[in-house]
Amino acid sequence: DAKTTQPTSMDCAEGRAANLPCNHSTISGNEYVYWYRQIHSQGPQYIIHGLKNNETNEMASLIITEDRKSSTLILPHATLRDTAVYYCIAPPPSNTGKLIFGQGTTLQVKP
Amino acid sequence: NAGVTQTPKFRILKIGQSMTLQCTQDMNHNYMYWYRQDPGMGLKLIYYSVGAGITDKGEVPNGYNVSRSTTEDFPLRLELAAPSQTSVYFCASSWGDTQYFGPGTRLTVL
Repeated sequence: DAKTTQPTSMDCAEGRAANLPCNHSTISGNEYVYWYRQIHSQGPQYIIHGLKNNETNEMASLIITEDRKSSTLILPHATLRDTAVYYCIAPPPSNTGKLIFGQGTTLQVKP
Repeated sequence: NAGVTQTPKFRILKIGQSMTLQCTQDMNHNYMYWYRQDPGMGLKLIYYSVGAGITDKGEVPNGYNVSRSTTEDFPLRLELAAPSQTSVYFCASSWGDTQYFGPGTRLTVL
């Protein structure tokens, strides 16, 4: 996996946008960037993934820089239920689907 | 679809006992995985399988065994439980790199 670097923790006010950064400067051209989150005591949940274009779904938006060395996950209107650990992962293309989880960013959404 | 189901939810074992953690998925995914998560830490891959009859080791396989006789089931076996195996165990399945996780089994070894 390409090494990813995320801040250990972040705070966000409820109702505001949460912007979670991830550095992946060693990413190769065919490695996607995946985001998962883990709400306390639950199994991780897939959020979104992308290769080079910005992506949006019902949960979040993913902005990838043109050089692909970093990305930002955006939760447009954070709620208290978005408090979780967010993982940025860049697995190499393979036929195993393995993911290596790092420490992630603990996002605390505050009222 | 129930997705990925795991049983039991909680279990307390004595040192040296054995048990099997069950994992079943109903999404017809070829790939399945077992992770453990120690308190305050990230997930560590124990074993994975790319299809029925095929399994391989992950980052932390020692003390565990797996089998994959069907597409749906991927049980994890602990033969001689040790306190170091106290953890939360998550099973996941995928078609590609998007993994779907079960609710976890919280195991304590005393």
